[in-house]
Amino acid sequence: EAQVTQNPRYLITVTGKKLTVTCSQNMNHEYMSWYRQDPGLGLRQIYYSMNVEVTDKGDVPEGYKVSRKEKRNFPLILESPSPNQTSLYFCASNRHSGANVLTFGAGSRLTVL
Amino acid sequence: SQQGEEDPQALSIQEGENATMNCSYKTSINNLQWYRQNSGRGLVHLILIRSNEREKHSGRLRVTLDTSKKSSSLLITASRAADTASYFCATDLSYSGGGADGLTFGKGTHLIIQP
Repeated sequence: EAQVTQNPRYLITVTGKKLTVTCSQNMNHEYMSWYRQDPGLGLRQIYYSMNVEVTDKGDVPEGYKVSRKEKRNFPLILESPSPNQTSLYFCASNRHSGANVLTFGAGSRLTVL
Repeated sequence: SQQGEEDPQALSIQEGENATMNCSYKTSINNLQWYRQNSGRGLVHLILIRSNEREKHSGRLRVTLDTSKKSSSLLITASRAADTASYFCATDLSYSGGGADGLTFGKGTHLIIQP
């Protein structure tokens, strides 16, 4: 089944404790991206990647890092999480041709205490 | 930066009725898409309409696009309880034909279908 898989789905952590949210897609998509969703703010893009070893900032990149060492994986790294990073995070991917239609993961709900 | 804005923010209708949601945007687009999100889950792509199209259908969904008014509408006919969800419009500003960098989402319309 074609899908985007995120882990963990739920995580409660404390301020300053480094964490990584993994994202993997099995559709051989070139493009991958991370969004965060907050009440009243909708979805905002954090980072995106056009292909392996190519990443760029989205609208809200502060406090986050990403890497794209393999085509299928695009982890989101919070080096020193803070409470304002409490949010619902989504990874998405799409093919680099034609229309820009995204396939989303199921989401990762992160709480930073 | 927010490009699309959905209206209304919330909509509650009876099962069987039609639901209409609107989306307005600010700059020229390559295409406009509608996505559905069930509570706390990932978004699912519903339909895409290109800038040179005016209307598109998919099952019970009908999307219109008016580029002169920079607006789009999503009509769900004969609504069902399972249509309860949030609906987002997303505008694709990219002209290269690909790239997640070109897709910007609105804040969504929360649709409730009363049985």
